[in-house]
Amino acid sequence: DTAVSQTPKYLVTQMGNDKSIKCEQNLGHDTMYWYKQDSKKFLKIMFSYNNKELIINETVPNRFSPKSPDKAHLNLHINSLELGDSAVYFCASCPGQGTTEAFFGQGTRLTVV
Amino acid sequence: SQKIEQNSEALNIQEGKTATLTCNYTNYSPAYLQWYRQDPGRGPVFLLLIRENEKEKRKERLKVTFDTTLKQSLFHITASQPADSATYLCALASNSGYALNFGKGTSLLVTP
Repeated sequence: DTAVSQTPKYLVTQMGNDKSIKCEQNLGHDTMYWYKQDSKKFLKIMFSYNNKELIINETVPNRFSPKSPDKAHLNLHINSLELGDSAVYFCASCPGQGTTEAFFGQGTRLTVV
Repeated sequence: SQKIEQNSEALNIQEGKTATLTCNYTNYSPAYLQWYRQDPGRGPVFLLLIRENEKEKRKERLKVTFDTTLKQSLFHITASQPADSATYLCALASNSGYALNFGKGTSLLVTP
């Protein structure tokens, strides 16, 4: 069983489209994150959720809207996609408040053309 | 602002040697520091966590040191193998504890 799973693994779309990435964790963790890894490989935190509540929004454009229907899921919806949104997006979870190891999904490679 | 700095240049070493990677940080008051490994096309994988009151931690061929005075952690891989080739990331929790922030990583290449 995959601990943190993301879908889709690859996403190619045109500028201006709206797309979603889904994330599920079966570890029973309270905290979930979204990260963006750009072409320079820098892993930057976007959002942090704790028990379905948004805790941190790291100055991400409001075209990005995370949604957590329950503690095990954290989805990312992106409106009006731009070329600069092309990156690998990682979902991660940890037991609580980043106090221990984080478990990452396999990533979603988003390409905006 | 908070910064986590890792040597951005790739580290190339010969098999069997010890690899040493550096992580320096500013404007953090970390209770602990973590190291992760990332392979191409994969998500980061947790390796080790060291607490502020621990000077050193070991796991098999891995050793991590943590100097809160120097604001630095060193990550060592002894008897390195080609399979150790990957990018290694240092991570710290934000002062609020709600975000886990990463350095840019150091790419390690171990050649036979």
